[in-house]
Amino acid sequence: KAGVTQTPRYLIKTRGQQVTLSCSPISGHRSVSWYQQTPGQGLQFLFEYFSETQRNKGNFPGRFSGRQFSNSRSEMNVSTLELGDSALYLCASSFSPTGDNQPQHFGDGTRLSIL
Amino acid sequence: AQSVTQLGSHVSVSEGALVLLRCNYSSSVPPYLFWYVQYPNQGLQLLLKYTTGATLVKGINGFEAEFKKSETSFHLTKPSAHMSDAAEYFCAVSDHEGSNSGYALNFGKGTSLLVTP
Repeated sequence: KAGVTQTPRYLIKTRGQQVTLSCSPISGHRSVSWYQQTPGQGLQFLFEYFSETQRNKGNFPGRFSGRQFSNSRSEMNVSTLELGDSALYLCASSFSPTGDNQPQHFGDGTRLSIL
Repeated sequence: AQSVTQLGSHVSVSEGALVLLRCNYSSSVPPYLFWYVQYPNQGLQLLLKYTTGATLVKGINGFEAEFKKSETSFHLTKPSAHMSDAAEYFCAVSDHEGSNSGYALNFGKGTSLLVTP
């Protein structure tokens, strides 16, 4: 069974640009969450999608947005990139939207570097 | 909101020694607790989880954790450390208040485990 797949693995952008990251969840998983990992702030929750609906959102500015498609694949978009957006972006999927006994499984992340 | 605190950003043990990584949680509802491990340039891998039931939880790679409500703790242990255990370890609590609140994990800052020969 394939794991969570994130593309691309590495990305270099400049300030002011925008970027789109992709995440394919484990087959059968319908919940997809996104996290930002930085040395200073650690792991922070961005948002969660279930059945194409955003169910939960972390404390990030509106420049960060996402969506989920009918096949459960998800994309995350960041507009007007800032230096502080440099981070490892992790996607996680789970079967159910509440966690319960279905923990989240993580991909290897997309490392975004802003020059 | 639920949160976790990991005591000690760096822990060093000798190969074969006991591993103890500390995690304390704060939660207004019965917590769901998790330990994840992260190796360099990789994502997070689930070690173990506690939701309900038995308070002593066994995970992969010989790790286990005990949920202690009275101490609001969920410490991770392993009787004998291996060199391959060197990694970053994260404790997390699930934010699952309310049926429509969605799902999010609140992570601790992480503990870097160093295993020396």
